[in-house]
Amino acid sequence: DGGITQSPKYLFRKEGQNVTLSCEQNLNHDAMYWYRQDPGQGLRLIYYSQIVNDFQKGDIAEGYSVSREKKESFPLTVTSAQKNPTAFYLCALLAVQETQYFGPGTRLLVL
Amino acid sequence: SQKIEQNSEALNIQEGKTATLTCNYTNYSPAYLQWYRQDPGRGPVFLLLIRENEKEKRKERLKVTFDTTLKQSLFHITASQPADSATYLCALWNQGGKLIFGQGTELSVKP
Repeated sequence: DGGITQSPKYLFRKEGQNVTLSCEQNLNHDAMYWYRQDPGQGLRLIYYSQIVNDFQKGDIAEGYSVSREKKESFPLTVTSAQKNPTAFYLCALLAVQETQYFGPGTRLLVL
Repeated sequence: SQKIEQNSEALNIQEGKTATLTCNYTNYSPAYLQWYRQDPGRGPVFLLLIRENEKEKRKERLKVTFDTTLKQSLFHITASQPADSATYLCALWNQGGKLIFGQGTELSVKP
């Protein structure tokens, strides 16, 4: 919250559909991250970007894609190849002392 | 690979008591460890960071210890209040340069 926004709060995906989750920040941070959270599990890293026009795969990148065309924006696309997309998705910035500053999250549900 | 384990069972305590949450890690000796609080449906919020050369760190009613021999961190909330009810996550940067999280421990403080 406050400086990092994610939209929408809830997102519904139909079978075979690609959907894009938005993450925007106005804190002028270089590094941005996408995590997935499932019930009873810790956060798992999907993708991260340390600078504009560059991004790296995390631990569970399959079925997802990202872009980093602007410093302020790091959208995540959940493709139809992701067979189990239902989860809580969190965008984060790298903050002071290498801590993470998280956005409010987007909950993705499959219809 | 590095792993973090937290109490998977929810912790239920009475208001005014001290809550103690455990975080164990394996296969790595991190330079520091972080603790976050997460409320339902929201992104985690950073609470405290403790470095390997610090035995203890305090912030108001919160206290974190770090035992590098036992590979364990303890997170204490003294004089607990119902408002402290949340899920608490520990995290560390692994050797691959990624922040890994425990699955979190849910704390419930009853009035």
